Amino acid sequence: DAGVIQSPRHEVTEMGQEVTLRCKPISGHDYLFWYRQTMMRGLELLIYFNNNVPIDDSGMPEDRFSAKMPNASFSTLKIQPSEPRDSAVYFCASSKTSLDRGKTPGNTIYFGEGSWLTVV
Amino acid sequence: GNSVTQMEGPVTLSEEAFLTINCTYTATGYPSLFWYVQYPGEGLQLLLKATKADDKGSNKGFEATYRKETTSFHLEKGSVQVSDSAVYFCALYNFNKFYFGSGTKLNVKP
Repeated sequence: DAGVIQSPRHEVTEMGQEVTLRCKPISGHDYLFWYRQTMMRGLELLIYFNNNVPIDDSGMPEDRFSAKMPNASFSTLKIQPSEPRDSAVYFCASSKTSLDRGKTPGNTIYFGEGSWLTVV
Repeated sequence: GNSVTQMEGPVTLSEEAFLTINCTYTATGYPSLFWYVQYPGEGLQLLLKATKADDKGSNKGFEATYRKETTSFHLEKGSVQVSDSAVYFCALYNFNKFYFGSGTKLNVKP
């Protein structure tokens, strides 16, 4: 099975440019998460979706960030305009609802390889 | 609320030494607990998990036991290798949301 697929793997862009990160979750997974990882703040949850609907975007740093999930197999995270402080690794992850916590194993979240963003 | 606290690193050990990375949590209800590992330049990979109290998760020589009485899920390995050098994240899953610790970097020297 293919894992979570992210693109691009690496991006270097100039301040002020628009950046779009893409993610394909694991087929059949109904939760999709966007995380950001930096040395200073560690791993931060930006937003997550359930069945393509955004559930919690309280981690999105500001209006320059937006995320969409137009269908079950694709999501984007967009930064417009980008700033040097946005430089980080952005991870997409997916998981599947546990239908009955008493009988099935707890969920596992699967991460993509990350998109390494540098804004200069 | 739900949160995870793990020991700060970096942890530096010699090859074949015993490893413990502490992790404690706060949670309502009955969370599942996980350890993830991140090798340089890669994403996080599931290392092991436990879904209820007293369960022991194990994989690749690593073990962790879900201790409800002490709200802990400490990661242990009897003999580390250089290839175990990575960042280890403790995580909690509760009510369809994941909570990660800050990560502990492990350096194993030959």
